[in-house]
Amino acid sequence: SAVISQKPSRDICQRGTSLTIQCQVDSQVTMMFWYRQQPGQSLTLIATANQGSEATYESGFVIDKFPISRPNLTFSTLTVSNMSPEDSSIYLCSAGGRGWETQYFGPGTRLLVL
Amino acid sequence: GDSVTQMEGPVTLSEEAFLTINCTYTATGYPSLFWYVQYPGEGLQLLLKATKADDKGSNKGFEATYRKETTSFHLEKGSVQVSDSAVYFCALSDPRGSNYKLTFGKGTLLTVNP
Repeated sequence: SAVISQKPSRDICQRGTSLTIQCQVDSQVTMMFWYRQQPGQSLTLIATANQGSEATYESGFVIDKFPISRPNLTFSTLTVSNMSPEDSSIYLCSAGGRGWETQYFGPGTRLLVL
Repeated sequence: GDSVTQMEGPVTLSEEAFLTINCTYTATGYPSLFWYVQYPGEGLQLLLKATKADDKGSNKGFEATYRKETTSFHLEKGSVQVSDSAVYFCALSDPRGSNYKLTFGKGTLLTVNP
């Protein structure tokens, strides 16, 4: 297993601004994932982040809106750009990949856009 | 593509009642199956898993058996507690794939009353 932390845990932002969410894993991991969970809904995968390569985005998500960095094997960031109220969600990161039994999740970042 | 269908809630039980949350899946291969739990205000935690047919995953009194013939992975607990109140997600991943993605069901909200 792994211990995954996220910062910030929550934030309230104004529309048009951007927020960067950090995700830290306590061990090296090949793959990190970013999810969005809208209120009362399941998880939707935004993108997969591999160290040393561009993130792979799922249908409906684009790099200009959700740029991702993965500078090393224990850290990743997700930026929510030019926010609107529709971006209000919980954003979760997870870690997994080769050699891991499954993905392990961070506690989430609760974002409210006014 | 792969998909997971789980019983929609909400489910409300009294303490010490028997719990079943149904989960069925569609997959082209032989996926690994998981139950995750999300307590209020927290991220997802892995509850239990099974990686092949007839495997039984168990943890904290919860059990689920991988049934290939019925493509099911139902979650059960013999006597629920108030502290089990949470959202439960069934998920699968295809171990043959290189993307290690998880496919989630929509989640089932369980409320246990004293």
